[in-house]
Formats: sequence, structure tokens, C-alpha cells
Amino acid sequence: EAGVVQSPRYKIIEKKQPVAFWCNPISGHNTLYWYLQNLGQGPELLIRYENEEAVDDSQLPKDRFSAERLKGVDSTLKIQPAELGDSAVYLCASSSNRGSGANVLTFGAGSRLTVL
Amino acid sequence: AQSVTQLDSHVSVSEGTPVLLRCNYSSSYSPSLFWYVQHPNKGLQLLLKYTSAATLVKGINGFEAEFKKSETSFHLTKPSAHMSDAAEYFCVVSATSGTYKYIFGTGTRLKVLA
Repeated sequence: EAGVVQSPRYKIIEKKQPVAFWCNPISGHNTLYWYLQNLGQGPELLIRYENEEAVDDSQLPKDRFSAERLKGVDSTLKIQPAELGDSAVYLCASSSNRGSGANVLTFGAGSRLTVL
Repeated sequence: AQSVTQLDSHVSVSEGTPVLLRCNYSSSYSPSLFWYVQHPNKGLQLLLKYTSAATLVKGINGFEAEFKKSETSFHLTKPSAHMSDAAEYFCVVSATSGTYKYIFGTGTRLKVLA
């Protein structure tokens, strides 16, 4: 079984430029999460999807961040324009509400963003 | 409301000695608790989970954790540290009320000395 796939793994951009991250969750996982992880800290939730519906986006800075999961499978997180403080690792995770692994988060390797 | 506190930001042990990483939690509901490990430049990997079954939970790579409701703790232990255990460890709490909100601790960096 393929795990959660994220791309790109690394991205370096100038401030004020746009950037997008892509995530393909585990097949059959209906819930998808985007987390932000700053250096030396634990992940913090940005947005959670149940299928194609964003059910928790309270921590997403909506002035510059946007996300979509149009067909309830893969998802894209966008930042426009990027700021220096956005330098961090963006983690995608997915989970299922069925089976022995229900409600256990499986993470991708992350996308490390550096804003210059 | 839920919260989780990892009591040590850094822990150093010698190879072959026991590991103890401490975690206290707060939850308004019966919690689910998890430990994840993150090796450098890698994603988070599940070590073990507690979901209201046995209070002593065994995970991968020889790790285990004990849920103590009276102490609101979920400490992670391993009898004998290996060099490959050096990583960042995160304690996570989630309410079982169906909100699927996972709160991560700030992490404990484990260093294993040869």
C-alpha cells in the first residue's frame, strides 16, 4: 500500500511569490489534514477535510492561504503571496473512520518551504 | 478542551539504558492518545496508540506506554535504547467524541550516546 505522497519535498522561493503543495492520501482515507510544523515545534492543524468538504479551517490564514480537495481524493495547499514567516514544513496526513486503523493519522514526508 | 504537555524538550541516554519520555494530557472526553516519532527530514511515524482498551500499550521497535488516568499521564518507555532511536518524539491527544481534533505536544528530542 502506498503511503501519503507529498510534493515537492523542498521548495525555495522569494517572498511575495506564490507556492503550491500537493498531497495524495492513502487510498480510501476519507479524512485529509494539512499541518504546519515550525522548526522545533509540534505540528499545528491548518485545515481538515472530510471527503471534499473543509470541516475545520479555523486555523488557516485565509488572507494568503487556500486549499482545495475537489474530488475528495488529492489536495492542494496554496500560499499567495508567501512571507518570510511561512518558512516551515507543511505536512499532509490522512485517516479513515473504519477498520483497525480508524482515526489514526498517517503522515507524508512533508514539504519544506524556505522563503527568502 | 484538550491539551498535551511533554515535560522534557531534550532527553539524553546512553545506548543500552532505559528510555523514559514523559507526557501529561488534559481532555474533557475519554481521550485517545498516541506517540509518534520523527526522524530528521522524515514524516511522522506512529509508534503506538491508546484507545480505551488495555492501559499498557505496546508499540513498534520495543516501545511501550502506560495510560494512567489518575495521573493524566501517558509516558513512553523502552527498556534498552538503540542508536537508531535518536529522533524527535511527539505525544498526541485526541477526543473520542468524534471531532477528530489531534493536539500535538511540542516534542522531545531523544539523543542516544554511544
